[in-house]
Amino acid sequence: GAGVSQSPSNKVTEKGKDVELRCDPISGHTALYWYRQSLGQGLEFLIYFQGNSAPDKSGLPSDRFSAERTGGSVSTLTIQRTQQEDSAVYLCASSFGTYQETQYFGPGTRLLVL
Amino acid sequence: AQSVTQPDIHITVSEGASLELRCNYSYGATPYLFWYVQSPGQGLQLLLKYFSGDTLVQGIKGFEAEFKRSQSSFNLRKPSVHWSDAAEYFCAVGGLGGSYIPTFGRGTSLIVHP
Repeated sequence: GAGVSQSPSNKVTEKGKDVELRCDPISGHTALYWYRQSLGQGLEFLIYFQGNSAPDKSGLPSDRFSAERTGGSVSTLTIQRTQQEDSAVYLCASSFGTYQETQYFGPGTRLLVL
Repeated sequence: AQSVTQPDIHITVSEGASLELRCNYSYGATPYLFWYVQSPGQGLQLLLKYFSGDTLVQGIKGFEAEFKRSQSSFNLRKPSVHWSDAAEYFCAVGGLGGSYIPTFGRGTSLIVHP
């Protein structure tokens, strides 16, 4: 079956512009996670959705970052007024239920802010 | 602060040699433990996980890991490495500080020499 997909795969933007990153989880997965992976760093947790609600937004680095999930499926991560330090690979993962379930990761969106 | 440590940034082994990747965490209770692999151009894939029970866990691709409570460690092992095992390996620990979101280590890059 189809795995987690993310779009775009690559995004180059200018400092100060807004960007939207999309994640399509595996059908039926109720949990959805966003992570950020910077060069040489581990995965940094950003936000967790269970259904359409986000019980844990503790990882969002600033108020320029926001995310939503609609219909318990597709999620969009929005970064407003991008900064160069936002350059990273943004990974999305989904799972059937809670954190105990295996997370399935998408290929990521590589964001470069010039 | 709760943390996950992968002390080796890079490890180089010869094909056919044995492998051990280290992972340590700081947490009092038994956490939830995962190892993921990220091959070049691929998304992260779960190798194995430990929640309870037998402390020696078997995973995919011939990998195993052993949870040692006394050492707060969850080291990944493989008896004979194949060239295709060259990848980035991430240890993740859930339940740190009461959070159910896994905390990822910074990763260990495995280089396999022919």
